[in-house]
Amino acid sequence: QKEVEQDPGPLSVPEGAIVSLNCTYSNSAFQYFMWYRQYSRKGPELLMYTYSSGNKEDGRFTAQVDKSSKYISLFIRDSQPSDSATYLCAMSADTRGSTLGRLYFGRGTQLTVWP
Amino acid sequence: KAGVTQTPRYLIKTRGQQVTLSCSPISGHRSVSWYQQTPGQGLQFLFEYFSETQRNKGNFPGRFSGRQFSNSRSEMNVSTLELGDSALYLCASGGQGALGYTFGSGTRLTVV
Repeated sequence: QKEVEQDPGPLSVPEGAIVSLNCTYSNSAFQYFMWYRQYSRKGPELLMYTYSSGNKEDGRFTAQVDKSSKYISLFIRDSQPSDSATYLCAMSADTRGSTLGRLYFGRGTQLTVWP
Repeated sequence: KAGVTQTPRYLIKTRGQQVTLSCSPISGHRSVSWYQQTPGQGLQFLFEYFSETQRNKGNFPGRFSGRQFSNSRSEMNVSTLELGDSALYLCASGGQGALGYTFGSGTRLTVV
C-alpha cells in the first residue's frame, strides 16, 4: 500500500463547477499537508499549505485536513479553464529544523475545465 | 526574487552513459531536494541536502548520487544510464520561513 493514495482521474468539469480533489494516507505521523498544481512541461507549483487538521481558504481554493480519517481535500470554486492542470497532494512528517524534509506525493489528479 | 533554476532543460543520453544535472535554489535557501517524476510512478524522492550534508535518501540504486556546494547549488549524477531512468528530474528548494518547497521546471532526461 502506498503511503499516499490519490485518484488519478482524469476529471473533466464545465467552467464554473465546484471541483473536489482528495487524498488518503496511512502514516499518522504526517503533520504538514500541501497541494501542488502542475501544468504540462512545468514543475509543481505550491497552491495550499496546511499544518495539522482544519480548513484553509485562499481565494477560490479551500484545503481541508481531517487527521482522524487520514483524509485531505482541495475544493476549487467557480473553476476556470486556466485551472486545467494536474493536482498533486503532498505530505511531510519531518519536523527537523527549518525545512519539511522528505515529501510524500500522491500520483496526481488530471483536471480539465472546459468552457 | 529568482526562482529555482535547473539546467539543462532537456537531455538525451545513450544507455551506459552518465549524466550530471544541476540545480540552483532560491537565494538564501539551504535545502535542496531531488525528485524523479514518471507517468507510471509519479513523484519519487531521491535525496535531500541541507548545508552540504545529505539528510535523507530515497529508495534508488547507488547509481544515483548527489552533492551540494557551499553556495547551496546542487548536482545529481546518474551513472550507467538505463532506459528506465528516462524521466523528469525535479529539484525543490526550501528554507527557513518558507512554506512548502519551490520546484524548478525540471530536467527532462531521455535515455535511448
